[in-house]
Amino acid sequence: GNSVTQMEGPVTLSEEAFLTINCTYTATGYPSLFWYVQYPGEGLQLLLKATKADDKGSNKGFEATYRKETTSFHLEKGSVQVSDSAVYFCALSEGAAGNKLTFGGGTRVLVKP
Amino acid sequence: GAGVSQSPSNKVTEKGKDVELRCDPISGHTALYWYRQRLGQGLEFLIYFQGNSAPDKSGLPSDRFSAERTGESVSTLTIQRTQQEDSAVYLCASSFGVRYEQYFGPGTRLTVT
Repeated sequence: GNSVTQMEGPVTLSEEAFLTINCTYTATGYPSLFWYVQYPGEGLQLLLKATKADDKGSNKGFEATYRKETTSFHLEKGSVQVSDSAVYFCALSEGAAGNKLTFGGGTRVLVKP
Repeated sequence: GAGVSQSPSNKVTEKGKDVELRCDPISGHTALYWYRQRLGQGLEFLIYFQGNSAPDKSGLPSDRFSAERTGESVSTLTIQRTQQEDSAVYLCASSFGVRYEQYFGPGTRLTVT
């Protein structure tokens, strides 16, 4: 079946540091890939997505590129802010079960001033 | 506009009791999903509805779990004879259709003592 693996946290950074969160996936077909973010005390929200190989999703300074050859979708941001402190989830959907999402375990990121 | 709402936000119950968790999707959203997040783990898919029908129930962990949706609106997830391993945050999401972005509610934190 499908699965998503992402680096465990917590990841602690200083403000303006570079952030990378690794995500790799296993899927039988050609999934769409997502990054979701959960800020403290808030619900899960979509951060960015990519629907086919070599697509780059971007939002709020975050980027991730769909790499079919390495089955990866790593999240990056060049200069993090304290407000980026959150839990980040990598996920995929493949059309089955109404495009249900398969999630990774989440990575907690803490940005210190 | 109103987002996805869930109630209660927190529920503590004794082992063996039945519980009902409610989800109010965004108005007009035809697809509705239930996910579960156990402590330290990623979200796992439970069930989805297209309209009032549930084409895929494969994620329900046991026959103690059931869900229904009425009026293409509110959905209820019922857990009978709760066990301690049912303790988790139960998240509901809705979307315009199965190919559209899923919007998540704040979740219900269930604790079985």
